[in-house]
Amino acid sequence: AQSVTQLDSHVSVSEGTPVLLRCNYSSSYSPSLFWYVQHPNKGLQLLLKYTSAATLVKGINGFEAEFKKSETSFHLTKPSAHMSDAAEYFCVVSDREGSQGNLIFGKGTKLSVKP
Amino acid sequence: DGGITQSPKYLFRKEGQNVTLSCEQNLNHDAMYWYRQDPGQGLRLIYYSQIVNDFQKGDIAEGYSVSREKKESFPLTVTSAQKNPTAFYLCASSKTSSPSYEQYFGPGTRLTVT
Repeated sequence: AQSVTQLDSHVSVSEGTPVLLRCNYSSSYSPSLFWYVQHPNKGLQLLLKYTSAATLVKGINGFEAEFKKSETSFHLTKPSAHMSDAAEYFCVVSDREGSQGNLIFGKGTKLSVKP
Repeated sequence: DGGITQSPKYLFRKEGQNVTLSCEQNLNHDAMYWYRQDPGQGLRLIYYSQIVNDFQKGDIAEGYSVSREKKESFPLTVTSAQKNPTAFYLCASSKTSSPSYEQYFGPGTRLTVT
């Protein structure tokens, strides 16, 4: 069965420093992978997605993620954190090719950005 | 503007009462979903619908019911049988239910039952 593990429940960085949010997945098939962001009391917004094209995926707001099949990882990075990046981030996997692609959500990583 | 609307934003109910959460989309998406979010748990799928007049149970469907009479609407009823109904509820839609299509989320409804 597919699953996703976000390795850190909380990450704190200073403004202007790099961000790394870690995600490992388990999948029997070739997965689709997503990162979503949620600001407090809001819905989720898609940051980026991987669907078997380029392994380095660029998203909105300067975020990117690299799909590494050998490591079963899909870590999210950003070179320089901004105060507005403070939010909760969810790594998501979906891998039922040709059928209902139910999304499996990680438990989330809360990113804090210090001035 | 295309998007998903959920109403109300906050909802309070007494224990034992059924309550219906609204979800409307004008994205012309075929598939719609309901999720429940609890602190530290991520999102869990309650029900989904791939097409009008069809819906399927998700991982935590007990105590909930849905209908899909129109393409743009997918209301969720939280019944008195749901043991822990207090949560943040998110509705989503996608073009189709294919796994490569991203889901678009509404702003959510926070339900408090006392």
